[in-house]
Amino acid sequence: AQKITQTQPGMFVQEKEAVTLDCTYDTSDQSYGLFWYKQPSSGEMIFLIYQGSYDEQNATEGRYSLNFQKARKSANLVISASQLGDSAMYFCAMREQLSGNTPLVFGKGTRLSVIA
Amino acid sequence: NAGVTQTPKFRILKIGQSMTLQCTQDMNHNYMYWYRQDPGMGLKLIYYSVGAGITDKGEVPNGYNVSRSTTEDFPLRLELAAPSQTSVYFCASISGFRTGELFFGEGSRLTVL
Repeated sequence: AQKITQTQPGMFVQEKEAVTLDCTYDTSDQSYGLFWYKQPSSGEMIFLIYQGSYDEQNATEGRYSLNFQKARKSANLVISASQLGDSAMYFCAMREQLSGNTPLVFGKGTRLSVIA
Repeated sequence: NAGVTQTPKFRILKIGQSMTLQCTQDMNHNYMYWYRQDPGMGLKLIYYSVGAGITDKGEVPNGYNVSRSTTEDFPLRLELAAPSQTSVYFCASISGFRTGELFFGEGSRLTVL
């Protein structure tokens, strides 16, 4: 079974508008972490934002925020005021058992295209 | 700051050839990982290590081997290259758990013909 599901292969957004990238996850652990990474066309992986399962507040980092709905097991990324440079692949990832040594598991990604 | 360094960045192999992808990190991280990314896909874990002398298989370990003799180095070995191993390979490291982000190398693009 997929641990991380990203249902949107591709998304388009107008410059300066907000966009939400969906991510749902599957785990029976109580302690886990959720991550979002950006991969521009140059290929590198850029860390964007982290949400811990016990964090009561949604994580925010500049124009990025994470809409964490624990009961629904969703961790959607919201990008506000989109810029042309936001065009990239976006990956959601999860680490289970934060007290252990489990590695990150990634979703298949969403390709975001920002239109001028 | 060097971070995670991977070499080579590009390589073309013939079927049956062997090679080693090198990965070095200078952040004294205990945890290191090798992922592969096929075109248009997410990252799949090949092998990982939680410290020197300790390695473990990930989701797609067949056709690969790793070693971790030092904290800094985590090479990935392909013994008999096959076209199915054509991919981009990422090495990554992390200091610990919880909020620690994964630090990635720039990737190594491998083509097997």
